This record gives sequence, structure tokens and C-alpha cells, in this order.
Amino acid sequence: AQSVTQPDIHITVSEGASLELRCNYSYGATPYLFWYVQSPGQGLQLLLKYFSGDTLVQGIKGFEAEFKRSQSSFNLRKPSVHWSDAAEYFCAVGAGGNKLVFGAGTILRVKS
Amino acid sequence: GAGVSQSPRYKVAKRGQDVALRCDPISGHVSLFWYQQALGQGPEFLTYFQNEAQLDKSGLPSDRFFAERPEGSVSTLKIQRTQQEDSAVYLCASSPGHDRVDGNQPQHFGDGTRLSIL
Repeated sequence: AQSVTQPDIHITVSEGASLELRCNYSYGATPYLFWYVQSPGQGLQLLLKYFSGDTLVQGIKGFEAEFKRSQSSFNLRKPSVHWSDAAEYFCAVGAGGNKLVFGAGTILRVKS
Repeated sequence: GAGVSQSPRYKVAKRGQDVALRCDPISGHVSLFWYQQALGQGPEFLTYFQNEAQLDKSGLPSDRFFAERPEGSVSTLKIQRTQQEDSAVYLCASSPGHDRVDGNQPQHFGDGTRLSIL
């Protein structure tokens, strides 16, 4: 069965510092991978997606993610974090069919 | 509106009551999904519609949960005889696509309905 692991429940970074959020997936075929962001009381906003091709994908708000098949990973990065980036981040894999399987999320705190 | 709209935003019900949650997808979107998000967890798939056809309901936790999309647009998730473990945020998402998640068809999420069962 498909699964997604986000090892870090909470991460705190200083404003202006770089960020990397980890995501590992388990899926038998070529995965469709996504990162979503959720602010309190809001729905999920798509940051970026990987379906095929270039393993480094660019998203909105200055985020990027790199697909590494050998490590079954799809880590999210940002070179310089802004206070407005504080939110919860979810990695997801498009499972067979149509549904998304999500990780448990990583809460990002930004300190000034 | 331009996005997925869910109502109500908040619902409080007593244990044993029936509730109905509404989702208005983005106009023209063929696919509609329901997810359940428990506190501190990621969303979990409940069910999927392609137009009015419910193609996957494997995630519905019990026969107390029922979803419909009779005209292929608005969808309603109904929970009968609610239990405290049903307390969660229920998210609806839509996408233009048909039977697979592909490069042109990401899922667009509404803000959810927060259901609290007392």
C-alpha cells in the first residue's frame, strides 16, 4: 500500500535561513508527488508537483523539491524563509486511481 | 466563486444526530473528492466522484457515512448517528480530470468543514 512519511513533526527556522522538509514515500510504480501547504483554518494550497521529467521542480512562493528515486524521497526546500511561510506542510503521493495519500504533516515555525 | 466552496464552515452536533456537509466544486470540474482530516493528522481519502458516479468509496469508515453528487456538480457528505470519533475537518477537493491524477489536473481544496461531535 502507498504511504508517505514526514519524519519531522515540527521544525523551527530563523527568518532568512534555508529550509528543508523531508518526505519519504512508498509506492510500487512511478509516483506522482505533491507538496501542499495549509494555514490554520484553511484548506490545502498546492505548492508544487512532480509527475515526470526533470527531478528538480519549482513551485510557488520560492519553493522547490527534488525527486530522488533511489532514496524514495521528495524533499521540499526554500533558500530563504519568510515569516509568512509559517504553516503546516503536507507531502502526498498520487496513489493508484485518483486519491492522494498524505503524510502526517510538518509544522513550520519561523522565528524572527 | 472561483474556488471550492464548503458549507457550513463549522458544525457542532450531539452524538447520535445526523449531519450533512456540502461541497460546491469549481465549475466544470469533473472529479470531486472528500477527505477527512483528524486533529494533528494529514487528510485521509474518503470517496471520489467522476461526474455523478461514485467510483471509489473505499475510504468511508463505516456505513454511517454516505456521499452523493446527483447532478455531477454539488456534493453532499452525510454522516448518520454521529459518534465522537467523527469529529474532524472534512475537506472537499475537485479537479478537471477524469480517472487519474496527471500533470494538468491537481486537486483544488476547499477550506473544509470542522465537525465537532459533543
